[in-house]
Parts: sequence; C-alpha cells; structure tokens
Amino acid sequence: AQSVTQLGSHVSVSEGALVLLRCNYSSSVPPYLFWYVQYPNQGLQLLLKYTSAATLVKGINGFEAEFKKSETSFHLTKPSAHMSDAAEYFCAVSDPTTGANSKLTFGKGITLSVRP
Amino acid sequence: NAGVMQNPRHLVRRRGQEARLRCSPMKGHSHVYWYRQLPEEGLKFMVYLQKENIIDESGMPKERFSAEFPKEGPSILRIQQVVRGDSAAYFCASSRDRSTEAFFGQGTRLTVV
Repeated sequence: AQSVTQLGSHVSVSEGALVLLRCNYSSSVPPYLFWYVQYPNQGLQLLLKYTSAATLVKGINGFEAEFKKSETSFHLTKPSAHMSDAAEYFCAVSDPTTGANSKLTFGKGITLSVRP
Repeated sequence: NAGVMQNPRHLVRRRGQEARLRCSPMKGHSHVYWYRQLPEEGLKFMVYLQKENIIDESGMPKERFSAEFPKEGPSILRIQQVVRGDSAAYFCASSRDRSTEAFFGQGTRLTVV
C-alpha cells in the first residue's frame, strides 16, 4: 500500500520569497511521484513528475522537486513566489510495478497563499 | 486538440435521485480514471477503465456506484439513489495507455440537496 503525507493545510509566503511545500511518501516499491496544482474550480495540472531518472526534477512555472529516498520525501520548491502561484498543490504517488502509472494516491493538498 | 471533457460541470440532485457524470477522454486515449474529491480532502481513486473493460474498481463504493466506458461514447460514472455524502467533485483523467501520463478534466461538482 502507498500513502502520501502533506503536513499542514496552508502555507503563506510573500511575493518573491522561497516556496517550500513538503511531501513525504510511503511505498513498498520504488515509486513514481507527482506534484499537481489546482486553481479554484479547475482540474488538476501536472507540475512535474519523478519516474526514477534524475532525482532533481524541474517542472513548469519555475517549480522543482528533489526525490530523497533516504528521507522518503519529494518536497516542491520555487525560488521566488509569484502572485499567480496561489493555488492548491497536491503530491501524489503511483506504483509503477502495476503498470498503471496513472492510478494515483494523493495527499490531502496544501493551499499556497502569496502576499503582495 | 481538446482536453478531457467532463459534463456537466455542476450537477444538483435531490436525495434519492440518480446522477450521471460523463467524461470524454482526450483524442487517442483509451484509458480512463475516475477520482472523487471530498471537501478538505485530496483526490481518492475510484475506478480505472479501458474501453469496454473495468481494470480496477478497488476504490468504488460497493453499492449505488457504477462506471462504464463503452466502445463508442464517453465514460459514465453513475450514482444511484444519491445521498448528501455523495456531494463532492468528481474528476476524470485519461491516458493513452497504462504507462503514460494521465490528463485531468475540470471535474463535475455534484451537490445533493
């Protein structure tokens, strides 16, 4: 069984400040890991994904995440927050051994607010 | 190239009625996944379908819920005799095959009154 933990439900940063959204996972096999963003009343958009290649993954909109097996973490970062980054962010994991890479287990999500 | 289309975007049903949610996958995609998002929760996997087949329904409630993906037409998630606890956002995602990335639709927000 797999699970994802996203501690806290809300993060607030100032515009231009570092964004750090934490994600820890539990998986009995080497997982695939994903970060999605959801704007109000919208669907989910993929920010980036880790699929066992480079451990530092770069995504869209300046976001990146680092897979750390020893810490079972996949934290999302962005050096400088922009007002348009305000949204809800979900970390997700899949079990590639099932062959169904898009059957995802999601965390509860974190709402990011950006202060002017 | 249209994305994953879900309709309706908003659906209101009275307790005891049936709800039908539709999902048209992206062109060339034959795999569909349904997820449910309850308030203040992340998305929960419900069912994974391929054309005319249910591959994995481990997340589907045992009663009142069913899903299909016919050879022609959209995938349908059907909820019979809805209850207030069924109020949620239901998202559909589609992928080309088992191993490629899935793309999400904008969701159907079901409200049971």
